[in-house]
Amino acid sequence: SAVISQKPSRDICQRGTSLTIQCQVDSQVTMMFWYRQQPGQSLTLIATANQGSEATYESGFVIDKFPISRPNLTFSTLTVSNMSPEDSSIYLCSVEDLLGGPKTQYFGPGTRLLVL
Amino acid sequence: GQQVMQIPQYQHVQEGEDFTTYCNSSTTLSNIQWYKQRPGGHPVFLIQLVKSGEVKKQKRLTFQFGEAKKNSSLHITATQTTDVGTYFCVNTPLVFGKGTRLSVIA
Repeated sequence: SAVISQKPSRDICQRGTSLTIQCQVDSQVTMMFWYRQQPGQSLTLIATANQGSEATYESGFVIDKFPISRPNLTFSTLTVSNMSPEDSSIYLCSVEDLLGGPKTQYFGPGTRLLVL
Repeated sequence: GQQVMQIPQYQHVQEGEDFTTYCNSSTTLSNIQWYKQRPGGHPVFLIQLVKSGEVKKQKRLTFQFGEAKKNSSLHITATQTTDVGTYFCVNTPLVFGKGTRLSVIA
């Protein structure tokens, strides 16, 4: 199974600033995903990050607010731009686990973000 | 993808009691997945169901996929405190249900 790390694990930020979250995988993976989990809520997919192409964003999420980079097959970043308190959430990256079956995923430990 | 509906939202059980969470869809599902998220943790993949009427077991956990592939259930026999967490069913592509939060009282 893939081992996934995220940095930072948590942060407290001021509104109007931006935070870049890093996701590192210990093996090469084709697809990486970024999710948001607001307090007490379920997970919502933000975007799919493929190496060598632009990320594919889900409805309600835009590149200007959540720019994503995918420079290689083991790494991705998600930036939360111009933050507001509503952006306070856990942000999780995940990778597709081909051994588990189509679209099954391994998740990173998450980044807990609080915006003041 | 359409979000699947999960019930109940919360469940409190005495240790040793059984627990079931249900997932329902108005449309036919190609497959369904179940994940568990412990408090403060991240989701962990449990199982994927693909075939109509499929039943899979993992120790005290039994997963079922309905004959019409529109519903699924997760049943835990004789709950333990280690079962505490939120159980999510996931429709593809990548749409999480709202989850059922299980608490177990020792």
